[in-house]
Amino acid sequence: QQQVKQSPQSLIVQKGGISIINCAYENTAFDYFPWYQQFPGKGPALLIAIRPDVSEKKEGRFTISFNKSAKQFSLHIMDSQPGDSATYFCAASGLNTGNQFYFGTGTSLTVIP
Amino acid sequence: DGGITQSPKYLFRKEGQNVTLSCEQNLNHDAMYWYRQDPGQGLRLIYYSQIVNDFQKGDIAEGYSVSREKKESFPLTVTSAQKNPTAFYLCASNPTGSDEQFFGPGTRLTVL
Repeated sequence: QQQVKQSPQSLIVQKGGISIINCAYENTAFDYFPWYQQFPGKGPALLIAIRPDVSEKKEGRFTISFNKSAKQFSLHIMDSQPGDSATYFCAASGLNTGNQFYFGTGTSLTVIP
Repeated sequence: DGGITQSPKYLFRKEGQNVTLSCEQNLNHDAMYWYRQDPGQGLRLIYYSQIVNDFQKGDIAEGYSVSREKKESFPLTVTSAQKNPTAFYLCASNPTGSDEQFFGPGTRLTVL
């Protein structure tokens, strides 16, 4: 059973546009929700993360929106650039889940110049 | 430089052979993890270890084995019992009390 569901599987956005990736979870014990960025042939790197006590977190062009009641969170990339073209993974973890991370299936983002 | 190293970057093996993937970290992290990545399936947890000489199975441990004799090292052996071993393998670590996971560069294993 997929603990974290991610959509869309792939996304094509024009340069300067907004990229939006969505994730949903079931386990209310999760209390940490990171987003990772991965380039081909490389390991994932932490992009931004949020905890349930806030509804939004912004770092530069990247924003996480968090809806605790709906058990959903999303990544927004403003002013998308070709260099943002990568695979993005959402994840969730919590102390009550043994600190295991549960990952979404990934979104391949392509930003067209 | 501090970080996680995985070697080799590419590995080829014949079917039926066991193979060991290396993961070393000099971040002084207690917890280490092994994930398998396949196209369209995200990252799936194979094994993890919170402390030396202790480790737990993840969601897809069958056909794999690990050891944690030193804090810095968490090697993964892909045995001949693993039916579909060809994949990209990622090692990760995080310090006790922190949620942030740090990933290594990965090893791409191809079984011929």
